[in-house]
Amino acid sequence: EVQLVESGGGLVQPGGSLRLSCAASGFTVYSTYMNWVRQAPGKGLEWVSVLFSAGSTFYAESVKGRFTISRDNSKNMLYLQMNSLRTEDTAVYYCARYYGESGQTPGAFDIWGQGTMVTVSS
Amino acid sequence: DIQMTQSPSSVSASVGDRVTITCRASQGISTWLAWYQQKPGKAPKLLIYTASTLQNGVPSRFSGSGSGTDFTLTISNLQPEDFATYYCQRAQTWPIAFGQGTRLEIK
Repeated sequence: EVQLVESGGGLVQPGGSLRLSCAASGFTVYSTYMNWVRQAPGKGLEWVSVLFSAGSTFYAESVKGRFTISRDNSKNMLYLQMNSLRTEDTAVYYCARYYGESGQTPGAFDIWGQGTMVTVSS
Repeated sequence: DIQMTQSPSSVSASVGDRVTITCRASQGISTWLAWYQQKPGKAPKLLIYTASTLQNGVPSRFSGSGSGTDFTLTISNLQPEDFATYYCQRAQTWPIAFGQGTRLEIK
């Protein structure tokens, strides 16, 4: 079964750090574009970061310089290292699979994890 | 960056009704648009990609249309399980952008 399972969320103080993990099954994380998307309480979806199959990365301006996306091909895992956290980073964080133009669902996030909650508060 | 404007922000309808949600891009995006359904406490679910292609397993009462800057999601013969929040998403160029969402409520 194709599946994504996130973990690592929790309560952290402003300025602190947290690392989110996303375990993939049924496919390999290095073969597609893997993303993090977040949703603040009661708000809409906000794209955060992408790790392309070739290894390059891209970030939303709101997290650039503070968050780092990475993967471990041997473990089939995706990560998001979050540093210098702010209260406005409080959200449910989803990992999601995305296909580029030549993929089976081009330009769309077809598989999502269940999400992990990050709360930044003193 | 290309922005996405979704309307209405909320709509009330009854079972059996037909509802249309609109998404507008600030620049032309060809047919690089997807639609998602999200229920409370759940992850978004892909409904439609490339503006009009129905994802596997999605009921045919859902349909999408449009190209360039203007897109629509239509739900015909609304069912109780369709009451949720719907998002459009622009594809192809980064950063990816989502619309603000449309909450579909039971009248």
